[in-house]
Amino acid sequence: DSGVTQTPKHLITATGQRVTLRCSPRSGDLSVYWYQQSLDQGLQFLIQYYNGEERAKGNILERFSAQQFPDLHSELNLSSLELGDSALYFCASSREAGPYNSPLHFGNGTRLTVT
Amino acid sequence: DQQVKQNSPSLSVQEGRISILNCDYTNSMFDYFLWYKKYPAEGPTFLISISSIKDKNEDGRFTVFLNKSAKHLSLHIVPSQPGDSAVYFCAASAKKDSNYQLIWGAGTKLIIKP
Repeated sequence: DSGVTQTPKHLITATGQRVTLRCSPRSGDLSVYWYQQSLDQGLQFLIQYYNGEERAKGNILERFSAQQFPDLHSELNLSSLELGDSALYFCASSREAGPYNSPLHFGNGTRLTVT
Repeated sequence: DQQVKQNSPSLSVQEGRISILNCDYTNSMFDYFLWYKKYPAEGPTFLISISSIKDKNEDGRFTVFLNKSAKHLSLHIVPSQPGDSAVYFCAASAKKDSNYQLIWGAGTKLIIKP
């Protein structure tokens, strides 16, 4: 158990809809990262928050947004969903802003299916 | 532009033998490298890391070797066990605009045969 909690585990929705994925980081971790993994692909970095502030941005679409709340949990909002958004979405957390001596710990992901 | 490449999508190794997983990178600014293991239906789990100031790091059955001149790193697992069957990702980090970003390879599926 990594200590990172993601909800829901599975999500099935229709094109054009909006969903919210939630992540609770490990106790004491200040950084939260969001990743997307499409079928048999590598992990695509979406966005990172550190202590409530956006820290780094990857290949995140404009239809997607995220935030980290004062209690450090994070939400990833996906809107105007398309079939191609179907993927596993992982949240990870770490103590520091960077990975040096502060490895990322991943949740078990949310599997999003857009029909 | 794939900055981190794992050219072998899969690898099959006999139980008890050595497993060698390879990773190549193109960005000479990468200064920290990590290996993660992923089981189906679970998130990746951190295995081992290495700083660019070292060429080897060992943790139990796992050893990571870094060859900076060749921009190549490898993960050795000795001896291989059935529980090692998983997808292995390598990742590399570089500082960018005072932030750090991890770039991930596409993964190698390791199958340990009994």
